[in-house]
This record gives sequence, C-alpha cells and structure tokens, in this order.
Amino acid sequence: DTAVSQTPKYLVTQMGNDKSIKCEQNLGHDTMYWYKQDSKKFLKIMFSYNNKELIINETVPNRFSPKSPDKAHLNLHINSLELGDSAVYFCASSQAGTGVWEQYFGPGTRLTVT
Amino acid sequence: AQSVSQHNHHVILSEAASLELGCNYSYGGTVNLFWYVQYPGQHLQLLLKYFSGDPLVKGIKGFEAEFIKSKFSFNLRKPSVQWSDTAEYFCAVNAPDTGTASKLTFGTGTRLQVTL
Repeated sequence: DTAVSQTPKYLVTQMGNDKSIKCEQNLGHDTMYWYKQDSKKFLKIMFSYNNKELIINETVPNRFSPKSPDKAHLNLHINSLELGDSAVYFCASSQAGTGVWEQYFGPGTRLTVT
Repeated sequence: AQSVSQHNHHVILSEAASLELGCNYSYGGTVNLFWYVQYPGQHLQLLLKYFSGDPLVKGIKGFEAEFIKSKFSFNLRKPSVQWSDTAEYFCAVNAPDTGTASKLTFGTGTRLQVTL
C-alpha cells in the first residue's frame, strides 16, 4: 500500500499551459505539504495544509494554487506554466499533535516545461 | 527563522570507508532534527530523527547521528559505507514550539558517491 501517492509521475507540457498534480495520503494524517526540488536538488516548501486549512504559504507565485478537498488530498494547480517551473514536485504528509512533525514523502512528479 | 547548513556538497568514498556528513542549524529554541535520504530517481525516505532524549540516535541501514546542542550540529555517521548508500542526503530541522511547527527547513543536501 502506497502511503503518499502522486499523479502523474511525469508531466511534460508547453509554456503557457495550465496543469494539475494530485496527491493522496492514506496514513490518516491531518497535515499535507507541497515541496519543489530544483535542478540542484534544493528542497523548498511551497504550501502546507492542516485539516484543509492553509497554514504555510511561502513566497510562491500566485499562478500556483493548492486545493485540499479533504484532509487526505492536496492538489496543486499551476496556471500559465513557465520554463522556471520545471522541477520535481513532492507531496508530503504528517500528523499534528505528535510534537515531532515527521513527514512522509510521495514519489514526486517531474514537471518539464518546454 | 531556522536555517540548515550542509557543508559537504559532494562526498566520494570507497566501499567500507567511514562516513560523516556535517549538518549545522541555526535556531536558539527547541528543535527536531531529521536526516532524509533520496536514492537516485526516488522520493525522500527518513533515515533517522531526533526530538528528545538520548542525543545519539540510530536509524535504518546502520546510520546514526549525534545531536550536539552546544554546537548546533546533527552530524550523520556510518562506520562502513556500501555501494548501495550512493544517494543524496538531506538534513532538516523544525521548531516544534513555534507557530510554524510543521515547517521543515532542509539543507542543500550532500551527494554521496560510493565507489567499488
């Protein structure tokens, strides 16, 4: 059983298009995240949702819009894709209230914008 | 805000050599510390974590790390590396007593290459 799953695994698209990446976790966690990993492997948090509520929103262009229909899902929609959006996007989840906030990561979505 | 430094960007070792990867963080309050590993083409997996108690923590695959509060460090060690340890290693920190307790801040990563 996959704990944190993402679809699609690979996404190739042209500049200007709009695309979505989906994330689901079956761990029963109440907090979910989106990270961007650039070509130098640097990982940066983009968003975090706790029980469907946005709690972390880093400096991310407003072309990126997360949506959490329920606490097991956190989707990422990107409008007007740019070349610089090419990266690997990781979804993660954790459980609040444990005091540790250990995060479990999905397999990643490699987005290539041409 | 917390930050994490990993000074070794690329480490090359022969099999059976000992490993130590440096990690320093900057934050004066209570911290939780993590080491994650990313094998080529794969997602991040947790190697080990520190949140309280014994500052020497043992993780999976023979890895261990020591939290030295006075040095703001959490270095990763393994006495004898294997070719299969070739991967990217990330140190991360969060501040559990703050309003952004869930925010994990990652270091820039260390690429470990183990040669046969």
